Amino acid sequence: DAGITQSPRHKVTETGTPVTLRCHQTENHRYMYWYRQDPGHGLRLIHYSYGVKDTDKGEVSDGYSVSRSKTEDFLLTLESATSSQTSVYFCAIRTGGATDGEQYFGPGTRLTVT
Amino acid sequence: AQSVTQLDSQVPVFEEAPVELRCNYSSSVSVYLFWYVQYPNQGLQLLLKYLSGSTLVESINGFEAEFNKSQTSFHLSNPSVHISDTAEYFCAVLPSGSARQLTFGSGTQLTVLP
Repeated sequence: DAGITQSPRHKVTETGTPVTLRCHQTENHRYMYWYRQDPGHGLRLIHYSYGVKDTDKGEVSDGYSVSRSKTEDFLLTLESATSSQTSVYFCAIRTGGATDGEQYFGPGTRLTVT
Repeated sequence: AQSVTQLDSQVPVFEEAPVELRCNYSSSVSVYLFWYVQYPNQGLQLLLKYLSGSTLVESINGFEAEFNKSQTSFHLSNPSVHISDTAEYFCAVLPSGSARQLTFGSGTQLTVLP
């Protein structure tokens, strides 16, 4: 499972509240990713990180921010949660080199915004 | 930019029957190709990948995929599926030489019936 954990695994929150999801890895991989999974859309990249304090936006970054102060932790924050952010969120890490490594996924966090 | 099209959202098939899950992609650069599988309530697992070399790649559980550059396809097949193969299957592409993200298709739900 490449040593990836996500917390919490399930969360229900109200519209307008901030929410932070945590991804933790145990193997010191440089690249980490946050995706959201929605029916009919597959997985879409929110943000990714290529090192401590180095992050970049993905396809659906609006309304989300990330931080990576340590190699092992990559945090995803919903600044003011909306119902459209109800989704399953997956963290991933990339093994190997920058251009040919494989991605391994965490178990996911199911977020419901009411 | 890249895009991935999975032509079938749902594929029901009887146990021990053959199956093909279709994947077509669009890219202006050469790409690496992946198939991921997601079992119910789990994260994604890498099933197989094409980076270079032989265009036919195999997994350990009977699935194989063939890269067809002229048709920009990477269809996944299995000559005899099992109940336990019931899952959602995602095709993904990564531009070769890129440190950026995978682009996923919308997924195909394979349901193996007894």
